Amino acid sequence: IAGITQAPTSQILAAGRRMTLRCTQDMRHNAMYWYRQDLGLGLRLIHYSNTAGTTGKGEVPDGYSVSRANTDDFPLTLASAVPSQTSVYFCASSGEGGPEHGELFFGEGSRLTVL
Amino acid sequence: GQNIDQPTEMTATEGAIVQINCTYQTSGFNGLFWYQQHAGEAPTFLSYNVLDGLEEKGRFSSFLSRSKGYSYLLLKELQMKDSASYLCAVRDSNYQLIWGAGTKLIIKP
Repeated sequence: IAGITQAPTSQILAAGRRMTLRCTQDMRHNAMYWYRQDLGLGLRLIHYSNTAGTTGKGEVPDGYSVSRANTDDFPLTLASAVPSQTSVYFCASSGEGGPEHGELFFGEGSRLTVL
Repeated sequence: GQNIDQPTEMTATEGAIVQINCTYQTSGFNGLFWYQQHAGEAPTFLSYNVLDGLEEKGRFSSFLSRSKGYSYLLLKELQMKDSASYLCAVRDSNYQLIWGAGTKLIIKP
C-alpha cells in the first residue's frame, strides 16, 4: 500500500441498502477526511477525524457515519442509501507540520450509484 | 455565507499562457490552495499561498491578494497534459477547507 487506498472503486447500490466505503492510509497522518464531489459543486466535507478515536461532522453529514478506531483506517457508512447519495466519494488525509501546511493527499475515489 | 468563485470552463492553446482566477469570501483566512484534478482521478496539490504575492513553481505560479479576496493560477508553456480541472480552496478561521467548483481547462493543439 502506498498513500491512500479506497475500496470499492465503483459500486451500484439499491436504495435502502447499507454500504461501507473503506479508506486506508499508510502515511501515519493524524487527520483524515471524507468528501463527496458532485458535478458543478465544490468538494463537500462529510465527516473528518483529527486523530484516532475522534470524529467530527462536516458540511453534509446527514445519512453518513464514520469511525476511527486506529490511525490508518477511516470507513464511511451509509446506513440506508438514497439516490441523492449518488456521487464520487474521496477520502483524504493530511499530516501536521508538513512544508505545505496541511496539504491534502487524496485516494482515487469511490464512484457510488444509488438506484 | 462562505463562497469561492472561479470560472466553470476555459480554453487555451498548446504553448500559450492561461490565468485562472479565484475570488473568495470566507470567515477568516488561513491560506489558499490550488489543486489539479484530471478527469476520473483524485485531486493533487499544486500550490499554497498564505502571504500576498506570487509563488512560482516551474511552469505554474500562484498569486494572492488577501485585501481583494483574490487569487490566480498562471500556467505557462501549456501542454496537452495540462487539460484538467483546477480547484481553488481557502482555509477559513476554523481551519476548514472551502472549495470552489473548479475550472475545467481545455487545451487545444
